[in-house]
Amino acid sequence: GIQVEQSPPDLILQEGANSTLRCNFSDSVNNLQWFHQNPWGQLINLFYIPSGTKQNGRLSATTVATERYSLLYISSSQTTDSGVYFCAVARSTPLVFGKGTRLSVIA
Amino acid sequence: DTGVSQNPRHKITKRGQNVTFRCDPISEHNRLYWYRQTLGQGPEFLTYFQNEAQLEKSRLLSDRFSAERPKGSFSTLEIQRTEQGDSAMYLCASTTGGDSGGYTFGSGTRLTVV
Repeated sequence: GIQVEQSPPDLILQEGANSTLRCNFSDSVNNLQWFHQNPWGQLINLFYIPSGTKQNGRLSATTVATERYSLLYISSSQTTDSGVYFCAVARSTPLVFGKGTRLSVIA
Repeated sequence: DTGVSQNPRHKITKRGQNVTFRCDPISEHNRLYWYRQTLGQGPEFLTYFQNEAQLEKSRLLSDRFSAERPKGSFSTLEIQRTEQGDSAMYLCASTTGGDSGGYTFGSGTRLTVV
């Protein structure tokens, strides 16, 4: 099956800093999603982005499908951005998740 | 649209007991997924339904696990003869049909087997 690798595994940022999270995957996909899991365990869908670039406020994502990677950019980080960010991919159902990047934003 | 609802939020059970969890998807979503997440790991796929049909089951879904989605609406996940290794967060997600589109997850049911 598809392998998903996320880096870095852990990241600590000062409030206001920018960051880039990376997701590499082992096969071609037609579905790629980024999620944020908050400290209470709720998974929030950030982007559905099998290719191209999208932006939503301080967050943006780019997927280069031909090179099998995706990037999630967080700008001007806030303490509420803390949590675990997951990349999940699929050629067909279901989504396969990476192990996530744990982000801690400190004031 | 109130999102995906899961009940209960927490369940503590003794080893060997049976437990059942419920998931109510977004009403217009015809695909429903069950995932399991243990500490420090990403969610792992268990099974999914297209309407009332169970289309795929993971090898993680041992014969002690069973899932149903009668009438293509809510779904239940039952674990029989629970073991300590079943302790995890059980997550439900729904989406519109097809292999594309965003998943919407519920808040999960955290199971602790003592």
